[in-house]
Amino acid sequence: KAGVTQTPRYLIKTRGQQVTLSCSPISGHRSVSWYQQTPGQGLQFLFEYFSETQRNKGNFPGRFSGRQFSNSRSEMNVSTLELGDSALYLCASSAGTGPNSPLHFGNGTRLTVT
Amino acid sequence: AQTVTQSQPEMSVQEAETVTLSCTYDTSESDYYLFWYKQPPSRQMILVIRQEAYKQQNATENRFSVNFQKAAKSFSLKISDSQLGDAAMYFCAYRSPNTGNQFYFGTGTSLTVIP
Repeated sequence: KAGVTQTPRYLIKTRGQQVTLSCSPISGHRSVSWYQQTPGQGLQFLFEYFSETQRNKGNFPGRFSGRQFSNSRSEMNVSTLELGDSALYLCASSAGTGPNSPLHFGNGTRLTVT
Repeated sequence: AQTVTQSQPEMSVQEAETVTLSCTYDTSESDYYLFWYKQPPSRQMILVIRQEAYKQQNATENRFSVNFQKAAKSFSLKISDSQLGDAAMYFCAYRSPNTGNQFYFGTGTSLTVIP
């Protein structure tokens, strides 16, 4: 089975621009979560989608948004980029919503905002 | 919100030796799940081991085992017979049964394996 695929692997954007990151989950996985990883804050939960519905959202400003398509693929969008948005963005998929379903992560997208 | 603390930013171990990584967490819940993830330089987070809070028995996966102390809210990871490929960042994570796939991660421990 193919793993979680994130594209692109690297992005360089300018302050004020917007960006869209893509994530394809493991086949059959309906839950997709996004995390932001920075040296200072560590891994922080952004949001989770299940069957095209946002199930849970972390403590991030409204500039961060996402969506999930009927094939479970997910996109994350960040508008009006700020320098502090530079981070590794990790996508993870899960087979279920039960608490014992581990997350399977992709390789991440490294976003640099200049 | 739950907090997860990893008090050892860096650890090192000689190849073939044993090392223990510490993790404590704060929660008022009685049922929850704990995980250890490994992140090598390739950046992909890989599940190492998981533990259900209601299980008394400590989880083991080959050379990896945990010491789960529920009353102390402690969840340490023991790596036996350390190998060069074990070098990575290790993250402890907490998952509540009430918040879906929202995991709370510690700040990580960077493990170096010395040949």
